[in-house]
Amino acid sequence: AQSVTQPDIHITVSEGASLELRCNYSYGATPYLFWYVQSPGQGLQLLLKYFSGDTLVQGIKGFEAEFKRSQSSFNLRKPSVHWSDAAEYFCAVGATNAGKSTFGDGTTLTVKP
Amino acid sequence: DAGVIQSPRHEVTEMGQEVTLRCKPISGHDYLFWYRQTMMRGLELLIYFNNNVPIDDSGMPEDRFSAKMPNASFSTLKIQPSEPRDSAVYFCASNRQGQSSEAFFGQGTRLTVV
Repeated sequence: AQSVTQPDIHITVSEGASLELRCNYSYGATPYLFWYVQSPGQGLQLLLKYFSGDTLVQGIKGFEAEFKRSQSSFNLRKPSVHWSDAAEYFCAVGATNAGKSTFGDGTTLTVKP
Repeated sequence: DAGVIQSPRHEVTEMGQEVTLRCKPISGHDYLFWYRQTMMRGLELLIYFNNNVPIDDSGMPEDRFSAKMPNASFSTLKIQPSEPRDSAVYFCASNRQGQSSEAFFGQGTRLTVV
């Protein structure tokens, strides 16, 4: 069975600081990996995805993530956080269709001025 | 495109009442997904359709839950009778297989059963 673990429930960073959100997955085959962001009262928006190829993927809003097969990880990073990045972030793993993904429990990001 | 449209955005109902949540997927998408989000269980896939046909409903919690997709542009999720533990945010998402398979989510329906 596939599963996703996001070890950090809540992270607080200062505006302008760098950010790394952790994601570990369990999947029986080559995983399809996704990061979504959810702002309060909104649906989920895809930040980036990994299907194959280059293990460092670029997404929207200046985010990137690196797939590390040996560590079963897909951590999300941003070099300089903006106040508007405050939201909840979900990592997901799945088969070919993103809609059938298994989601992690999410990490809530707070940005201090 | 307006994106995935869900209605209503908020629903408050009394225990025992029937609740119907609605979803209009993005035009041209052939997959539709219903999710439930709660603090305790996170995001759970309830059911998904392909070309209007239910493919996997193993996530539907109980027989009180049912979902239909009468045509490519409309789906409903019904709870009858509703219970307080059904209180959650219900999301609909859609996509088209063969592309990047990104799932596009609606804004959700916040259901409160009192």
